[in-house]
Amino acid sequence: QKEVEQNSGPLSVPEGAIASLNCTYSDRGSQSFFWYRQYSGKSPELIMSIYSNGDKEDGRFTAQLNKASQYVSLLIRDSQPSDSATYLCAVTGSARQLTFGSGTQLTVLP
Amino acid sequence: EAGVVQSPRYKIIEKKQPVAFWCNPISGHNTLYWYLQNLGQGPELLIRYENEEAVDDSQLPKDRFSAERLKGVDSTLKIQPAELGDSAVYLCASSLRYGNPEQFFGPGTRLTVL
Repeated sequence: QKEVEQNSGPLSVPEGAIASLNCTYSDRGSQSFFWYRQYSGKSPELIMSIYSNGDKEDGRFTAQLNKASQYVSLLIRDSQPSDSATYLCAVTGSARQLTFGSGTQLTVLP
Repeated sequence: EAGVVQSPRYKIIEKKQPVAFWCNPISGHNTLYWYLQNLGQGPELLIRYENEEAVDDSQLPKDRFSAERLKGVDSTLKIQPAELGDSAVYLCASSLRYGNPEQFFGPGTRLTVL
């Protein structure tokens, strides 16, 4: 079992819809949770961080964390074509090393 | 504020040749990371530095890979000799200090080994 698992996609949503990206992790001692956006041919860009259970909103992005279920998600409201990218979930485990999932490729259709 | 700087951006070499990548982290960031990213995968840690000390190099293939961060600022990652399977993107990242988990990535070096 991989330490951080994401649906590889691709995920397609129409412009203006809500995109929902999911991630599960195996280390119950995990402390910090991140979402990175990676455009094709570019490096990962940190877009959200969440450290406690519940929701955290930043503009059109909402991160949700449920430590009991070992689950973290990212919601993108009013999706735009410019949101088309690969979204990487990353988790800092009990050893404090950042571990990435394989990413979910999102396409927002105009 | 300048971000993480890496060079070169692209490198094409033949197998068995040596290659080196350079990284300059964000000013004031004590922790520096080298990652490898294969196509369709997330980044995988190769080595982490706290200032000039390599504190996590368990994933670095030490038979052919080496790294240094002599003055605790910029860093060099070297492969000698390169193999076909080393073709990947090599990413450098930095964070303010260990314990601050937010990492910021450079543009990466895309290595192609022929």
